[in-house]
Amino acid sequence: GAGVSQTPSNKVTEKGKYVELRCDPISGHTALYWYRQSLGQGPEFLIYFQGTGAADDSGLPNDRFFAVRPEGSVSTLKIQRTERGDSAVYLCASSLRSGRGYTDTQYFGPGTRLTVL
Amino acid sequence: DQQVKQNSPSLSVQEGRISILNCDYTNSMFDYFLWYKKYPAEGPTFLISISSIKDKNEDGRFTVFLNKSAKHLSLHIVPSQPGDSAVYFCAASVSNDYKLSFGAGTTVTVRA
Repeated sequence: GAGVSQTPSNKVTEKGKYVELRCDPISGHTALYWYRQSLGQGPEFLIYFQGTGAADDSGLPNDRFFAVRPEGSVSTLKIQRTERGDSAVYLCASSLRSGRGYTDTQYFGPGTRLTVL
Repeated sequence: DQQVKQNSPSLSVQEGRISILNCDYTNSMFDYFLWYKKYPAEGPTFLISISSIKDKNEDGRFTVFLNKSAKHLSLHIVPSQPGDSAVYFCAASVSNDYKLSFGAGTTVTVRA
């Protein structure tokens, strides 16, 4: 079946601009995650959705970052007034969240490489 | 602060030999550990996991060992194949949590 897809694959923008990054999770997955991977680092957690609601947004670095998932499927990560330090690969993942107690396997998309000039 | 550490940024191994990747963690609440593999321009792909109630989990050529007292885990790949050349990330979580904490990754190169 289709995996997690992310668009665009690459985004170049200028400092101060607004960007939106889109994630389409695996069909039927109720949980959706956003991570950010800076150069030479592992992915860092940003936000987690269970259904339509953001269950945990503690990883968002500041109030310029916001994410939505209005219908419980597609999610959009929004970054206002972009800064050069926002340049990174933004990864989206989804999982079933069956509630069995153990962490469900998170399946990652290919990421969006954001470059802020 | 980095709660999961992979201190070796790279590893080169000959085809057919064993690859051993190491990972250390500091958070004693972690009780579920995973390894992900990543090829260029692709997202991380789940490889193998282990819960803290075990000290070993094997899946084909891949075995993960967990030493809770040392807060250390390792991934063994035997035998190593050219297709194993990739970046390997160690990750950890609390079982009733959803956030994965990742190490910085180890780039494995398998030489023919």
